[in-house]
This record gives sequence, C-alpha cells and structure tokens, in this order.
Amino acid sequence: GAVVSQHPSRVICKSGTSVKIECRSLDFQATTMFWYRQFPKQSLMLMATSNEGSKATYEQGVEKDKFLINHASLTLSTLTVTSAHPEDSSFYICSAPLAGATDTQYFGPGTRLTVL
Amino acid sequence: GNSVTQMEGPVTLSEEAFLTINCTYTATGYPSLFWYVQYPGEGLQLLLKATKADDKGSNKGFEATYRKETTSFHLEKGSVQVSDSAVYFCALSEGNTGNQFYFGTGTSLTVIP
Repeated sequence: GAVVSQHPSRVICKSGTSVKIECRSLDFQATTMFWYRQFPKQSLMLMATSNEGSKATYEQGVEKDKFLINHASLTLSTLTVTSAHPEDSSFYICSAPLAGATDTQYFGPGTRLTVL
Repeated sequence: GNSVTQMEGPVTLSEEAFLTINCTYTATGYPSLFWYVQYPGEGLQLLLKATKADDKGSNKGFEATYRKETTSFHLEKGSVQVSDSAVYFCALSEGNTGNQFYFGTGTSLTVIP
C-alpha cells in the first residue's frame, strides 16, 4: 500500500526556536495533504489543509503565522512551528489521500514535538 | 456540519470478552466511515472501512456495519486478545470536503489476561 513518512519522528527544542516537520508521500503524488495535532489521550484535531502550489487552508483558531505550511512539491509538505513554546508540545500527524480516490487516506507515523 | 461521536473510555476487558465500541455520526452528505487503531507509541492504522449504507467492514476479527438509519458505525469483536489493547478512533470522510477526515475522540481499550 501507499506510504507516508514523517521526519523527524521526535524532536526536542528550546522555547523560542523554530522546528520544521516534513511529510512525504513515498510512492504516490499528493496534491493535498492534511496536518493534524493530537494532544495526549485526545483525538486528532485538523490544523490545516496543505495544497500543492497554493496557500494552505487553516482551521479556525489555528495561527497561520505560527504554523507555517509549505507544499513545495507533489510529494512533500512541511509544517514549521515558529517561535515554539511549551504549549506547542504535541504529536503532529500528516495524511495524504490518493489522487482520484474519494476516501483513501494514508497517515504518517507522526512527529513528537517537545518544547522545553 | 460533519462530526463523529464516540463512546468514551477507557474500556477494560478480560481476554476473550466481547467488545463493542459505539460510534455515531453527523454528515451533510454520504460519507465513508472508518475505524482506525493506534497502538502505543505508533501512528494511526486503518482497521476497517465501509463506503455506503449497509456495508460491513471487517478485519482481524473486528466488524462494523454502516447503518444509515441510525447513523451509526459500531465496532465489535467477539473475542478480544491482549494484543488488541490500543486506542480506537471512529472517523468519517466526505468527498465533497476534499477527503478531510473527522475523528471521534478515541476509545482506549485495555485487555487483561
């Protein structure tokens, strides 16, 4: 089946620094990718929809200047957490649908961000 | 709008017990329904899905039937194992929302020997 990878799997950073998380579709092209955030023992919260070649669409309450999304190619989307604070510590997950498939979605393994 | 309501946990069962995790949904159109499983320290994995009313998804002994009349997609397994201990998420996706997924809050299952 299709594979979505994320890098890094874990990252620890100091407060005030920026962290970039990559999401790649390894064997298929994805014009759209989704970024989710998962708090401990809670569900996934959709943060934004990443669109190749255009601006990302952010969900209500998500700061677009803090969570920068770039969909540079058909296989890569990046999420940059700028000026990270401890409350940004979370599990970030991306997903990508297969083109032309109405409901087939593949999830990355997630990135654990810890901000000290 | 679209939403998923899932039975709250945590759920603790003895090995070989019967499992039911309730899930109901609200959708504006005709969604596909999913159950995802998240094992400790791992990412989401698709467990099963159903794309239209009355479809039954099944995998690894788990089953769920798409019930349009009750807007439900309850997860069942006749005999759980310790290895089934995980968090289970019910989700829906509608094509007209660009494949965006809506997740329930997740139900933590612990199976004890």
